[in-house]
Amino acid sequence: GQQVMQIPQYQHVQEGEDFTTYCNSSTTLSNIQWYKQRPGGHPVFLIQLVKSGEVKKQKRLTFQFGEAKKNSSLHITATQTTDVGTYFCAASNSGYALNFGKGTSLLVTP
Amino acid sequence: DTAVSQTPKYLVTQMGNDKSIKCEQNLGHDTMYWYKQDSKKFLKIMFSYNNKELIINETVPNRFSPKSPDKAHLNLHINSLELGDSAVYFCASSQGRSGQFFGPGTRLTVL
Repeated sequence: GQQVMQIPQYQHVQEGEDFTTYCNSSTTLSNIQWYKQRPGGHPVFLIQLVKSGEVKKQKRLTFQFGEAKKNSSLHITATQTTDVGTYFCAASNSGYALNFGKGTSLLVTP
Repeated sequence: DTAVSQTPKYLVTQMGNDKSIKCEQNLGHDTMYWYKQDSKKFLKIMFSYNNKELIINETVPNRFSPKSPDKAHLNLHINSLELGDSAVYFCASSQGRSGQFFGPGTRLTVL
């Protein structure tokens, strides 16, 4: 399957600071998806990236897919306490099931 | 309206028992999944069904048996429960290879 490594494992920021999580693969990915899981909650789909070099924005969130389609990043500008949670990247395996990274847990201090 | 629902939300049982978890989606999706999330939050795919047909069957003990009576339902039956089965089990659905919608999860505790 298409394994993905995600860093950092944890990140603690002050409210208003920026945050970035990175996802890397040793193989070329067909696509990558990002999910957010709040504490005690379930993963919620954020976005899917398919094209090489693709950049998509959702308000303060910016998602990038590398030119070689081997890495991706999620950047949050000016974090808020509502951004707290674990952010997962996931790559498809045989087209349907996803291989999830281990996630980056974000803690935001007011 | 709940898009993907699971029952029960919590399940506490003794080792050796047999239990089932039910999942239903009202999104009209054609693909459903079962994931296991361990205490370290690692999410691992277990099974996937597309139009009631099993398409993904990862390395999972054969004590775990999925069943999809129709496109909207995917149940998970677990025989002879072991301590290591304790985890949160998530059901999810998608339309083809699009983003997946997860249920609220079932927290299974085996004593």
